[in-house]
Amino acid sequence: EIVLTQSPGTLSLFPGERATLSCRASQSLVDNLLSWYQQKPGQAPRLLIYRASSRATGIPDRFSGSGSGTDFTLTISRLEPEDFAIFYCYQHGTKTFGQGTKVEVK
Amino acid sequence: EIQLAASGGGLVQPGGSLRLSCAASGFNLNKYWMSWVRQAPGKGLEWVANIKPDGSVRYYVDSVKGRFTISRDDDKNSLSLLMNSLRAEDTAMYFCASEYWGSYDNWGQGTLVTVSS
Repeated sequence: EIVLTQSPGTLSLFPGERATLSCRASQSLVDNLLSWYQQKPGQAPRLLIYRASSRATGIPDRFSGSGSGTDFTLTISRLEPEDFAIFYCYQHGTKTFGQGTKVEVK
Repeated sequence: EIQLAASGGGLVQPGGSLRLSCAASGFNLNKYWMSWVRQAPGKGLEWVANIKPDGSVRYYVDSVKGRFTISRDDDKNSLSLLMNSLRAEDTAMYFCASEYWGSYDNWGQGTLVTVSS
């Protein structure tokens, strides 16, 4: 099983700041099949990024994904009030999610 | 508009059974791999099972193998998850989702399963 480790556990930032979230895999991911999701309380997750760096339909361009192999990053260039949530990474090889990073208002 | 509507959750005793359903509208389920993903209260996400578009291949997380069965009904454009021998640790919100390039692009709203005596 491939384990995904997300860091930090919690990120406290002001609106307008840049957020950088990390996701590290215990093994190299085939075809970089790594995706990112945003989840707000009481809601289903929403796909942000697939294949490590492709933005999903309707996702604002302030969200970007990068990385390959074992190290991946989700960047939110300027946080909007609606962006504060929990973010999960996911790898499709052995179908595991990271434990999540909470982005909260400072 | 693409929509997935999950239903069938509820309170069930340990050892009991439950069948979850996921109705699709705005797209044909039979063109996509489909998955169930669950989330225990206050916890993270866990993939549970998925099924190939033609229904010929199914995969399960180890903890549910032999107890859960995923299936699809193309006539009804729906997905199901039959859960037997339920345990307390199966308590979770269950989401259905369609797969796209190794990700989950469309999600249902979730249906809550509580296993308790």
